[in-house]
Amino acid sequence: DAGITQSPRHKVTETGTPVTLRCHQTENHRYMYWYRQDPGHGLRLIHYSYGVKDTDKGEVSDGYSVSRSKTEDFLLTLESATSSQTSVYFCATATGGTQYFGPGTRLLVL
Amino acid sequence: DQQVKQNSPSLSVQEGRISILNCDYTNSMFDYFLWYKKYPAEGPTFLISISSIKDKNEDGRFTVFLNKSAKHLSLHIVPSQPGDSAVYFCAASGNFGNEKLTFGTGTRLTIIP
Repeated sequence: DAGITQSPRHKVTETGTPVTLRCHQTENHRYMYWYRQDPGHGLRLIHYSYGVKDTDKGEVSDGYSVSRSKTEDFLLTLESATSSQTSVYFCATATGGTQYFGPGTRLLVL
Repeated sequence: DQQVKQNSPSLSVQEGRISILNCDYTNSMFDYFLWYKKYPAEGPTFLISISSIKDKNEDGRFTVFLNKSAKHLSLHIVPSQPGDSAVYFCAASGNFGNEKLTFGTGTRLTIIP
């Protein structure tokens, strides 16, 4: 398994506050991804990165931004959290066509 | 527009029998298919994959079959074990240069002892 960690693992926040989730990898993989998992929807891509400072939108990018200043770190920011962003967030890296996932962050927006 | 579909949200199978999980896709540009397994409170883990140049790939108890003309793939688990109880996601990718995967909605497999 790729060495992928996510922080925090759990977070409770209030509507309207900004939230940043961190993904850290030790495998030097070029590609990194942020997904959210919700019942009935499977895994949906929020944003992805194909290199330092190179990012692009996924299918559910509204309300989210990302940054990648180093190969090993990929940050996901909720500019102003809403209750609809309550979800489990997974980070992944990719090599050779296969993605490897972190343990997830459970976010509750009250 | 769901490009990868897993039409069975859940499946129960007796321990020792065969589990068959199905997946359909609509995008003819997909050429690489993967199955992931997910336990509660953990991230998905890669299980097995298949390229479109093959119609079968086997790894121990797990076999994936691909029917390109029907745009259908299936995962067979034989024999099923209690530790196989998990949610299984089908995923697909194409030669788009970004290694993006499109996931199905998952099938929850329960192995009955």
